[in-house]
Formats: sequence, C-alpha cells, structure tokens
Amino acid sequence: ETGVTQSPTHLIKTRGQQVTLRCSSQSGHNTVSWYQQALGQGPQFIFQYYREEENGRGNFPPRFSGLQFPNYSSELNVNALELDDSALYLCASSSQGGVPEAFFGQGTRLTVV
Amino acid sequence: QKEVEQDPGPLSVPEGAIVSLNCTYSNSAFQYFMWYRQYSRKGPELLMYTYSSGNKEDGRFTAQVDKSSKYISLFIRDSQPSDSATYLCAMRSTNSGYALNFGKGTSLLVTP
Repeated sequence: ETGVTQSPTHLIKTRGQQVTLRCSSQSGHNTVSWYQQALGQGPQFIFQYYREEENGRGNFPPRFSGLQFPNYSSELNVNALELDDSALYLCASSSQGGVPEAFFGQGTRLTVV
Repeated sequence: QKEVEQDPGPLSVPEGAIVSLNCTYSNSAFQYFMWYRQYSRKGPELLMYTYSSGNKEDGRFTAQVDKSSKYISLFIRDSQPSDSATYLCAMRSTNSGYALNFGKGTSLLVTP
C-alpha cells in the first residue's frame, strides 16, 4: 500500500469537455507529479508541484493544468479534451529533501469519446 | 530518439528461470535509476532504485547500473508466476526535481 490515492478510478468524457482528476499524496510527501500513460507505453511526465507551485513541466500543452493544495493533495485539469487524451493518468508523490523515490497511485483511466 | 529505450517484449520464461531486463539511455545527466513493476490496469509499484553506478540486491531482485555504457539491468532470480507483469525502467537527473523518464516497459510472463 503506497498511500497515494486517486479519484475517480474510471471516467468517460466527450471530446471538447473538461475533466478534473484528484490525488492525495502519501503522508509526509510534499511533491506531487502527474504522468500520462497511453496504452502500451511508459508514463510521460506532465508536470510537478511543490509548495503549491508548478516547478517542472513536460511536453504538454497549456490545456493541461494543475493545482496543489496546502495539504499537498493535487488536481489535474484538462480542458478541450481530445480523443488522444484517452490514457491512464498517474499521480506520484515524493518528498523534496527526502528519499529520492516516487510512489504512484493506482491511476485514473480516462476515456474520451 | 527517445532518451530511454526499453525492449517491450513480450518475454516468456518458465517458472524458476533467471530473468534479465534491460534499458539503455542517452542522457549522461541521469543519476537516479529505478525499476517499477506494473500489473495490468494498476499504478506502477517501485521495486528498486540505485544512485549512480553499481549493483543493488533485494531478495530475488538485483539492479545494475553501468553509467559508462549508459545501460541498466534488472535481474530476477527464481522467477515466479506472480512476477508476471510489465517492468518499467525510470531515471532522472539530480536537477530535474522528480520528473522521471520512463522506458516503454517490458511485458514478462512466467509460466508454471
């Protein structure tokens, strides 16, 4: 049990809609990262939040945005959904200044139709 | 060219076999190397991490890093059917926060 929880587990949205995914980080972890994993691929880094600010971003367009809250939980928002956004979205928590490992939640599977 | 290359397999071995999984990478700034195991429709589970070069052993698992060759390996001894999963290598540099660069994953099937 990693302690990282994500909600919802599954979601179906229509192209053009907006979606919000949620993540509660492991106790004691202050950094949250989000990844997109397409079928048959490795996870791709979207962005990372530390102390409620984005401090790293991968090659994703601005319609992917996020938030981190004072309790270190986080949201991933995706606007104007496209069919290619269908994927498993993973949240990982870690601790700046602590152990270097990142621990993942079970993911949210998003299907865009 | 992707920064991390990993043979997707699938790899099928009999129970009890020694499994060797490998990744190559191109970014010499990578310092932290990790192996994750992912079961179908689940999130990745951290198996091992190694800092810089060298070996690390944990039970039936051994991770090796050869920075001179930009090559990392995971060995599984006495493989079990429960080891059947996708194995992902991941790595990052010291100045990239926690942004991990993943391989594509290798699908492993251990048959009884």
